[in-house]
Amino acid sequence: AQSVTQLDSQVPVFEEAPVELRCNYSSSVSVYLFWYVQYPNQGLQLLLKYLSGSTLVKGINGFEAEFNKSQTSFHLRKPSVHISDTAEYFCAVSDGNNFNKFYFGSGTKLNVKP
Amino acid sequence: NAGVTQTPKFQVLKTGQSMTLQCAQDMNHEYMSWYRQDPGMGLRLIHYSVGAGITDQGEVPNGYNVSRSTTEDFPLRLLSAAPSQTSVYFCASKDRAFQETQYFGPGTRLLVL
Repeated sequence: AQSVTQLDSQVPVFEEAPVELRCNYSSSVSVYLFWYVQYPNQGLQLLLKYLSGSTLVKGINGFEAEFNKSQTSFHLRKPSVHISDTAEYFCAVSDGNNFNKFYFGSGTKLNVKP
Repeated sequence: NAGVTQTPKFQVLKTGQSMTLQCAQDMNHEYMSWYRQDPGMGLRLIHYSVGAGITDQGEVPNGYNVSRSTTEDFPLRLLSAAPSQTSVYFCASKDRAFQETQYFGPGTRLLVL
């Protein structure tokens, strides 16, 4: 089974500053990687996903993530955050052994301050 | 097009009671799944289904039953609720191919006393 680690449970940042949310996963032959966002009292919404090809993936709302196979990481970045980015962010992975099973990290709460 | 719907939104149960959490989708998705979300633990997969009549266990299946008689519906049954099942439950669906996006419902908040 896969495991996903999000080391930062909370990340405070000022508006218009850059942010990086970290995600590491346990190694596997092939993986599919996802970042989701959850606004208060709502379900999860997909931000971006890596399936294959270019290691730099661009998503919605100006977010991007880079797949690094050697470091088994998939960190999420945004060059300039807005107040509206305040939410909880989840990294998830499925792998080639069973792509129907998804494993989520514990989440990172991004708090954007004015 | 309502997407993924879940009922009820909130439920309080006593230990030992049974209940069914409902999930429906109108996108003709073959894949449906149930997760529970607990503080500090993210989402954990309970059960999933890749089509009518086909279900399989996820990471934390104990205490939960599922069945899939139609493409649209994927109910989650708690036969004898326990306080450890207090959680927020999310249903999700997607097309079957691995690259397809999962769509989540709004969640059901369950409190077991």
